[in-house]
Amino acid sequence: AQSVTQPDIHITVSEGASLELRCNYSYGATPYLFWYVQSPGQGLQLLLKYFSGDTLVQGIKGFEAEFKRSQSSFNLRKPSVHWSDAAEYFCAVGGNFGNEKLTFGTGTRLTIIP
Amino acid sequence: KAGVTQTPRYLIKTRGQQVTLSCSPISGHRSVSWYQQTPGQGLQFLFEYFSETQRNKGNFPGRFSGRQFSNSRSEMNVSTLELGDSALYLCASSVGFGGVDEKLFFGSGTQLSVL
Repeated sequence: AQSVTQPDIHITVSEGASLELRCNYSYGATPYLFWYVQSPGQGLQLLLKYFSGDTLVQGIKGFEAEFKRSQSSFNLRKPSVHWSDAAEYFCAVGGNFGNEKLTFGTGTRLTIIP
Repeated sequence: KAGVTQTPRYLIKTRGQQVTLSCSPISGHRSVSWYQQTPGQGLQFLFEYFSETQRNKGNFPGRFSGRQFSNSRSEMNVSTLELGDSALYLCASSVGFGGVDEKLFFGSGTQLSVL
């Protein structure tokens, strides 16, 4: 069965510092990978997705993620965080087989300190 | 264009009661999915509706049910509430029905507390 592990429950970084959120997945075929962000009191918003091709994917709000098949990872990065990036981040995996649905990780809460 | 609207925003119920949550998708979207979000569990898929038919169902007991109306609005019902049903219930809509490449648009959710 497919699964997603986000090993960091909570991360705190200073404003302006770089960020990397970890995501490891288990999937039997070539995965479709996603990062979503949930700001306080809001629903989830898609940051970026990987289906195929270039393993470095650019998303909205200055985020990027890199797919590493050998490590079963899809880590999210941002070179310089802003206070508005404080939110919960979810990694998700799925495959484009029929009616397959996404499997989400448990999330990483990001706190930004001035 | 209005986003996905979920009502009510907050609900407090007691064990044994039932509850109905509502979701209005983005205009033109025909698929509605429901998710349960709890701390430490992330998002768990409940079910998906398309054209008034349930097309997919997650691993939840029969106390959880839903339906979709002809205008694509959807309701979710939980009967005989248990303390463990306390969660944020999220609704997501998409244009069509199919695989994970259908972009999902999420509502802000309904926070259900069961006392």
